[in-house]
Amino acid sequence: GAVVSQHPSWVICKSGTSVKIECRSLDFQATTMFWYRQFPKQSLMLMATSNEGSKATYEQGVEKDKFLINHASLTLSTLTVTSAHPEDSSFYICSAALAGGGLEQFFGPGTRLTVL
Amino acid sequence: GNSVTQMEGPVTLSEEAFLTINCTYTATGYPSLFWYVQYPGEGLQLLLKATKADDKGSNKGFEATYRKETTSFHLEKGSVQVSDSAVYFCATRGNTGRRALTFGSGTRLQVQP
Repeated sequence: GAVVSQHPSWVICKSGTSVKIECRSLDFQATTMFWYRQFPKQSLMLMATSNEGSKATYEQGVEKDKFLINHASLTLSTLTVTSAHPEDSSFYICSAALAGGGLEQFFGPGTRLTVL
Repeated sequence: GNSVTQMEGPVTLSEEAFLTINCTYTATGYPSLFWYVQYPGEGLQLLLKATKADDKGSNKGFEATYRKETTSFHLEKGSVQVSDSAVYFCATRGNTGRRALTFGSGTRLQVQP
């Protein structure tokens, strides 16, 4: 149980285009999902916290107009990278926390974005 | 805010060697502590956790003890296997408010046969 999927697993796009990444909790409901960014050989950096039915909370330095997050249901959150540029190339990882609390977060396998 | 410092890798060991990966944290109050593992091509998986001082988390032969006096949560395994080769992340989470995790930089472990 507690499986989180991400789609797509990898994407290559041209500079200036927008890319949407989906994060789904497959067998549980998640009131809160988190989006992280991981640079090569570095740690995960929290980008934003996404709560179902409300606006996402962005970390300092993360452009909310560039990284649009929508958490429309208890099983789906989406991250849209708008007008992507090569510096947005990275590994994007989501995690989901169980509705009702609890410590554990369950991580998706990640999405590798390459912007040409 | 919270922060986590863990030893840099890569760590290269022979099979059956003893493993220690150091992790120290700074946090207010009494955070929960975690070790996550990321196998090649896969997402992060929770390896073990501890929620209060002197708790010992254990799983798959790995252990870590929550040491409040030294603000540490070092990961140990008595005898590593080739299949343990992965990147290990130490993480902390406060017990009030934010549920997001703060991660260390990760330590790559390579176990050679």
